[in-house]
Amino acid sequence: DIVMTQSPESLPVSLGERATINCKSSQSVLYSSNNKNYLAWYQQKPGQPPKLLIYWASTREYGVPDRFSGSGSGTDFTLAISSLQAEDVAVYYCQQYHSTPFTFGPGTKVEIK
Amino acid sequence: QVQLVQSGAEVKKPGASVMVSCKASGYTFSDYYMHWVRQAPGQGLEWMGWINPNNGGTKYAQKFQGRVTMTRDTSINTAYMELGRLRSDDTAVYYCARGMDPYYYEKSDYSGLHHWGQGTLVTVSS
Repeated sequence: DIVMTQSPESLPVSLGERATINCKSSQSVLYSSNNKNYLAWYQQKPGQPPKLLIYWASTREYGVPDRFSGSGSGTDFTLAISSLQAEDVAVYYCQQYHSTPFTFGPGTKVEIK
Repeated sequence: QVQLVQSGAEVKKPGASVMVSCKASGYTFSDYYMHWVRQAPGQGLEWMGWINPNNGGTKYAQKFQGRVTMTRDTSINTAYMELGRLRSDDTAVYYCARGMDPYYYEKSDYSGLHHWGQGTLVTVSS
């Protein structure tokens, strides 16, 4: 199975400041035939299901604010929030869908400093 | 708009089975893989498998092989996940989640999870 790790576990950020979350996979999630990274990012607020933010590592889902961006390739990925808003307080998960079983990172809790 | 509405909370005894339903609307049900993901209290997300509603084909995570069965009823646009031989560590919120692309797209079974149900809490306790 592909193991996903995330850092940090918890991320206190001041309103308006940048937040950066790292995600690493134990194997490459880049599919060579189409040059796509099979990596997604989700946001989960308490009592709610996860919400898809980013797929193919860097494609923003429709309706997601452009302060959210994804980058990286192969085994190392980053989710950035350019200017943290109060409504961004949540747990963020990365997920690989390159190989079954699809696996998620352990999550990063973003909070207001 | 796409909606996935799941059945209500369940309380089961160890060794029993539970079936969770997921009723889809707002899109052509048969066209998109339906995945199931669970989340134990205070824990992370765990993918269980998917079903292709078009032909009933399934793919289960090895961890759940032999205990999980995913089915669908296309006449009522509903997917089901049945988990048997329940243990206390199966206590979790179970989610259905739709894949991103139609089944006839190449590698659409390998997909991010685009739309999610509200979740169903299954509690296993003696």
